[in-house]
Amino acid sequence: ETGVTQTPRHLVMGMTNKKSLKCEQHLGHNAMYWYKQSAKKPLELMFVYNFKEQTENNSVPSRFSPECPNSSHLFLHLHTLQPEDSALYLCASSPEGGGNIQYFGAGTRLSVL
Amino acid sequence: AQSVSQHNHHVILSEAASLELGCNYSYGGTVNLFWYVQYPGQHLQLLLKYFSGDPLVKGIKGFEAEFIKSKFSFNLRKPSVQWSDTAEYFCAVRPYDGGGSQGNLIFGKGTKLSVKP
Repeated sequence: ETGVTQTPRHLVMGMTNKKSLKCEQHLGHNAMYWYKQSAKKPLELMFVYNFKEQTENNSVPSRFSPECPNSSHLFLHLHTLQPEDSALYLCASSPEGGGNIQYFGAGTRLSVL
Repeated sequence: AQSVSQHNHHVILSEAASLELGCNYSYGGTVNLFWYVQYPGQHLQLLLKYFSGDPLVKGIKGFEAEFIKSKFSFNLRKPSVQWSDTAEYFCAVRPYDGGGSQGNLIFGKGTKLSVKP
């Protein structure tokens, strides 16, 4: 148990659906991250939030929409996704922005049909 | 663009064999270096890190890594692997820019290690 909880663990959605991924951290950290993990590719940083403010958007398509209502919660809203968006989506947190040591959740395995 | 290269996609070893996983990065400035491990079905967790000081760092479960600045390398080693070391291993680098600000973590593609009992 890392103190970073992601729900759901698995998600199957059609290309016209709207769904949301949730991440919650119980570590008192101020920075949270979304990563995309695809087979045979490096982890791709998607978004960074530091003290609830988005500090990084790594050229992510607008069909992915993050939300950070407070330092403990991070959402990733999904709409009109493509099959190539199927991947493991990882949330991480760290004491401050910039990374230091990041603590990862177990991820949400997303399949887009 | 900065990048991290892990030379082996999949390594298969027998128990008690020695392990060395390669990691090279492309950045000429100051870096922090990390190895993360992902056991089957589990979350990514930190194995060891290098920030400064002794370039030979020791992590959990008998792993160690050596930072060789001249080679831009941070190879992971373990003298004798166990079946429970079967996992995927990720090298990561965090560069500092010229102003001393920390960049984001940059990950390699990962190396899958399979240890045969």
